[in-house]
Amino acid sequence: KNEVEQSPQNLTAQEGEFITINCSYSVGISALHWLQQHPGGGIVSLFMLSSGKKKHGRLIATINIQEKHSSLHITASHPRDSAVYICAVSRSARQLTFGSGTQLTVLP
Amino acid sequence: ETGVTQSPTHLIKTRGQQVTLRCSSQSGHNTVSWYQQALGQGPQFIFQYYREEENGRGNFPPRFSGLQFPNYSSELNVNALELDDSALYLCASSDGGQGGGYGYTFGSGTRLTVV
Repeated sequence: KNEVEQSPQNLTAQEGEFITINCSYSVGISALHWLQQHPGGGIVSLFMLSSGKKKHGRLIATINIQEKHSSLHITASHPRDSAVYICAVSRSARQLTFGSGTQLTVLP
Repeated sequence: ETGVTQSPTHLIKTRGQQVTLRCSSQSGHNTVSWYQQALGQGPQFIFQYYREEENGRGNFPPRFSGLQFPNYSSELNVNALELDDSALYLCASSDGGQGGGYGYTFGSGTRLTVV
């Protein structure tokens, strides 16, 4: 079993829909990261969470430490949100352990 | 404030050859981590350098080696390339210290193809 599991693996939505991507982890963590990867390969850090909830524009990330679960929500989705969204955790060893990603496609 | 720059962006090598990939860290960051991402997979941790010393290593053979320089830029060297080394190699810099929970800045990656 992977230390970081994401679901769904693939997600197709219509423009304007509310989107949720889930992440579960099985180890103690210092922080959880949500990252966005576009087809060119570069990764952009969206959020770093250790508790509660963060919001940036149309993106919202929540974490429940007791349940070892986090969600990334996108409100009013747009085709430009199409990308791979990756959940990763950092522990005292500092390096990131990544999930396998969720491929999101938003159709116009 | 500069971001993380990786070079080259694409590279084709022959099996058995050696390759060096380069990464400049973001200004103010003293830690660089390298990751290998195979197609359709999440990145896998190769190793990390903190203030010029290796500070953790993933499950990669010794033919994967690295360096960090006084300006905190870094190199990843891979010897005796194998076909399975074909992947996107990502570099991430952070402001290291004790414990986790750092913000990371990623480069755009180097796409290595071994033929």
